[in-house]
Amino acid sequence: DTAVSQTPKYLVTQMGNDKSIKCEQNLGHDTMYWYKQDSKKFLKIMFSYNNKELIINETVPNRFSPKSPDKAHLNLHINSLELGDSAVYFCASSTSSTRSEAFFGQGTRLTVV
Amino acid sequence: AQTVTQSQPEMSVQEAETVTLSCTYDTSESDYYLFWYKQPPSRQMILVIRQEAYKQQNATENRFSVNFQKAAKSFSLKISDSQLGDAAMYFCAYRTSFAGGTSYGKLTFGQGTILTVHP
Repeated sequence: DTAVSQTPKYLVTQMGNDKSIKCEQNLGHDTMYWYKQDSKKFLKIMFSYNNKELIINETVPNRFSPKSPDKAHLNLHINSLELGDSAVYFCASSTSSTRSEAFFGQGTRLTVV
Repeated sequence: AQTVTQSQPEMSVQEAETVTLSCTYDTSESDYYLFWYKQPPSRQMILVIRQEAYKQQNATENRFSVNFQKAAKSFSLKISDSQLGDAAMYFCAYRTSFAGGTSYGKLTFGQGTILTVHP
């Protein structure tokens, strides 16, 4: 009964490929996020969705396209992968209450070769 | 824009001893939330403790407590009776309490502090 689950946990792919990471939460939350953790372990938000509506889009290249088919799911599609995209991508969710903490998935380690 | 700074890249502590991790932040807001997250080698992000800026009382969760100094914009984490399982990377994070706008819900993280616990 994992709260926030991401698939896959590991992804190794060649430059130029297109890949997707899926995220699902069973907490009944209405807000979901994608964060990127780079090689220096720095965490930065990429996107957030509230009730399937895009709220935050933080200067992320157009090659990254999030999609939220419903409140419980937020997927991340990446086109034309580059070496610099190698990182750990975390999905998270929370309620829209300002007091709500964010719950994180276990992360997806993406390696572009 | 808010910024969060953790000036200690690495810290170490002996088992059963106490250690304090530092965090400072910059904001023009008067109401917000501060968090400490733990990231063990398993990579999972685990919430350790949360502080609401409008509360003067420092938050406490078992062996974990914070020293929240709002005027100084400082938010340190104290771990008492350190255990081997406390070894991890610790992140300080800021979240606005403003219910709306493009920063809503966004966590701004510090650079992280690697904590080593020696037996």
